[in-house]
Amino acid sequence: AQSVTQLGSHVSVSEGALVLLRCNYSSSVPPYLFWYVQYPNQGLQLLLKYTSAATLVKGINGFEAEFKKSETSFHLTKPSAHMSDAAEYFCAVSEGSNYQLIWGAGTKLIIKP
Amino acid sequence: GAGVSQSPSNKVTEKGKDVELRCDPISGHTALYWYRQSLGQGLEFLIYFQGNSAPDKSGLPSDRFSAERTGGSVSTLTIQRTQQEDSAVYLCASSLEASGFEQFFGPGTRLTVL
Repeated sequence: AQSVTQLGSHVSVSEGALVLLRCNYSSSVPPYLFWYVQYPNQGLQLLLKYTSAATLVKGINGFEAEFKKSETSFHLTKPSAHMSDAAEYFCAVSEGSNYQLIWGAGTKLIIKP
Repeated sequence: GAGVSQSPSNKVTEKGKDVELRCDPISGHTALYWYRQSLGQGLEFLIYFQGNSAPDKSGLPSDRFSAERTGGSVSTLTIQRTQQEDSAVYLCASSLEASGFEQFFGPGTRLTVL
């Protein structure tokens, strides 16, 4: 069965520091991969997605993620954290053969001033 | 509208009452999903509709929960005899194969059972 693992339920970084949120998946076929963000008291919105084009995907708000097939990873990064990045981030994967996404448990990003 | 809409945005009910939550997906999206998000928790899959196929109800937590989707568009999630543990935000999403299965989320309905 497919699974998605997000390492760290909480990640804390200082404002201006590098953000790295980890996501590993298990899939027997090339997947579609997604990162969603949920700001406090809001719904989820798409940050970026990988759909078998370029392995480095750029998203909104300066975030990007790199698909590494050999490592089955799709880690999310941002060079310099901003206070407004404080939110919960969810990684999700689809094998592409059906419409369902498998969701990670989420990582709360905390930005220290 | 351009996005997924849900109503009501907030619902407060008494234990034992039935509630109905509504979701209007993006026009033309063939897949519709319901999730539950309890306070501080991740997404819990509830049910999934895809076109005219039988829905995947594998995530429904009990037989008090049911959902239907009429005409391949609007969906209603019904919770009968609500319990306090049903208190959560209920999220609806829709997707289309052509968009790579990206799910578009509504703002959610916050359900509080007193």
